[in-house]
Amino acid sequence: EVQLVQSGAEVKKPGESLKISCKGSGYNFISYWIGWVRQMPGKGLEWMGIFYPGDSDTRYSPSFQGQVTISADKSISTAYLQWSSLKASDTAMYYCATIPNSGSYLPDTFDFWGQGTMVTVSS
Amino acid sequence: QSALTQPPSASGSPGQSVTISCTGTSSDVGGYNYVSWYQQYPGKAPKLMIYEVSKRPSGVPSRFSGSKSGNTASLTVSGLQAEDEADYYCGSYADSNYVFGTGTKVTVL
Repeated sequence: EVQLVQSGAEVKKPGESLKISCKGSGYNFISYWIGWVRQMPGKGLEWMGIFYPGDSDTRYSPSFQGQVTISADKSISTAYLQWSSLKASDTAMYYCATIPNSGSYLPDTFDFWGQGTMVTVSS
Repeated sequence: QSALTQPPSASGSPGQSVTISCTGTSSDVGGYNYVSWYQQYPGKAPKLMIYEVSKRPSGVPSRFSGSKSGNTASLTVSGLQAEDEADYYCGSYADSNYVFGTGTKVTVL
């Protein structure tokens, strides 16, 4: 059974750094792209970027390029989303999700999702 | 990339059908057969219900179906059940990016 287990809720101050995690199990972690999706309070879903653990290929949504860094440690089947300097507008729920295919049209869909990590940034 | 357009709400009585539209452009919905639909309950993670316009993942009830015409995709829930009350989001591949819809709240009357 595919499972993505995310790290717990975080409360941070503006300007602080943060790295949240997403541990995959039940599948070959290095062979599937994994993505991150933001959902601000009461709002819709926004794609942030995707990462391929096999070769560290990373693709960012233009809206999030330069704002976050996506990475992974394939030795522990864990993907990461990190910020170097948080803003209040980063307050949101963040989901990781796997992408089932690795063809030319990426990302094409998100099949398995983590439970989400709530990040609150407030002074 | 602008969000795909969905109606804010849709409703139906148990047993009826409800159809949700998802309108994009030729650079996303209209240009590729990579439209997905996600169901989200309050406080929960989204769940994939439809992928590649009309395919259902294992375990998704057959009363959920998807289609596409031009730049508009649709999700139909037939034989509405109380448990179908949730938010639904479409999503589409979009020229090396991905775009979600604005979301539709489905209410079972």
